[in-house]
Amino acid sequence: EAGVAQSPRYKIIEKRQSVAFWCNPISGHATLYWYQQILGQGPKLLIQFQNNGVVDDSQLPKDRFSAERLKGVDSTLKIQPAKLEDSAVYLCASSPGDGLAGVGPETQYFGPGTRLLVL
Amino acid sequence: GQSLEQPSEVTAVEGAIVQINCTYQTSGFYGLSWYQQHDGGAPTFLSYNALDGLEETGRFSSFLSRSDSYGYLLLQELQMKDSASYFCAVRDGAMDSSYKLIFGSGTRLLVRP
Repeated sequence: EAGVAQSPRYKIIEKRQSVAFWCNPISGHATLYWYQQILGQGPKLLIQFQNNGVVDDSQLPKDRFSAERLKGVDSTLKIQPAKLEDSAVYLCASSPGDGLAGVGPETQYFGPGTRLLVL
Repeated sequence: GQSLEQPSEVTAVEGAIVQINCTYQTSGFYGLSWYQQHDGGAPTFLSYNALDGLEETGRFSSFLSRSDSYGYLLLQELQMKDSASYFCAVRDGAMDSSYKLIFGSGTRLLVRP
């Protein structure tokens, strides 16, 4: 079974530029997550999709971050304009997510991440 | 809100046993998960406890006490490849429809020869 795919793996941009990340989840997984992981910290959820609908984007800085999941499969996360504090690893994860506690949601499969450096 | 506390760093010797503790505060509780992350790698799911007690999977075991809001990950017969960061995580209980995981800040385990 193929895992979660992400691209690019690394990106260096200057502040105020824009950047986009792509994620392809595990086939059949309804739930897709984007996390931000700053060095030395645990992942922090930015947005969660169930199929192609947003379930939770409460921690997404909507003035500069946007995400979409067209057709309920692939997803893109965009930052525009980038700030220095956006330097982090952006992780995509997916899970079967059928809504029942203990069945699926707690088991999330992460992609390799995109390492973003904003100069 | 949700918060998790775990030690920032643990050092142990190859072949030994190490325990990584996690205490949590949540508005609603579904269970405690553990993830492993090697430097430069992706977090990998290790275990999930919804009920009190010990769950064993090979060299790794995970324990939960719901009444104490406490859990731990036990690693036995440590190997050099176990050097990594270990994160405990709880599901955000605020929204039934959200499967958001709240992660601790991670415990960096260093296994020495």
